[in-house]
Amino acid sequence: SQTIHQWPATLVQPVGSPLSLECTVEGTSNPNLYWYRQAAGRGLQLLFYSVGIGQISSEVPQNLSASRPQDRQFILSSKKLLLSDSGFYLCAWSVLFSGSTDTQYFGPGTRLTVL
Amino acid sequence: EDKVVQSPLSLVVHEGDTVTLNCSYEVTNFRSLLWYKQEKKAPTFLFMLTSSGIEKKSGRLSSILDKKELFSILNITATQTGDSAVYLCAATTDSWGKFQFGAGTQVVVTP
Repeated sequence: SQTIHQWPATLVQPVGSPLSLECTVEGTSNPNLYWYRQAAGRGLQLLFYSVGIGQISSEVPQNLSASRPQDRQFILSSKKLLLSDSGFYLCAWSVLFSGSTDTQYFGPGTRLTVL
Repeated sequence: EDKVVQSPLSLVVHEGDTVTLNCSYEVTNFRSLLWYKQEKKAPTFLFMLTSSGIEKKSGRLSSILDKKELFSILNITATQTGDSAVYLCAATTDSWGKFQFGAGTQVVVTP
């Protein structure tokens, strides 16, 4: 069965510090990978998605970046965090088959607070 | 621009009440509509809908899609306090696999 790991679970960082959040998927090959951010009481904002190794697309301009060094590894980074980067970060994966179920599976999330 | 709008944004009901949540969508090359339940952490999958008028049921939860009017509803009957959560809907398209999420509906069920 497929599992998705995301760490750390909670993070408190000072403004201006770097960030690295990691997400790994097991039990599937060539998944689509996603990074979302969810502000308190809000919906999911898509930050980045990737359809393959080294292929990253950004949905929202910001001071964050993403990388996919391996098929099942997705990393979210920042060189200098802003207060507005605080939020709940979710990694997700999906595999779309023609005529089959489109389902997106989420990791446990990282709650980031920037002070 | 693709968008998904959920209503209401939040509601409070008493145990035993029935709740109806709405999700309207405008996306290019629509493929499917998904519902998720989010409690403290990650959203969990509830339903995927691709065909109009076919109700999907899971216990006290049910959902239906109207592809002509571009909306879906999620019903929860005989609500329980464990139904308290944020309910998210998302529309997918025929392209690379983008999931366009709505802002969610916060449901609070009081004893």
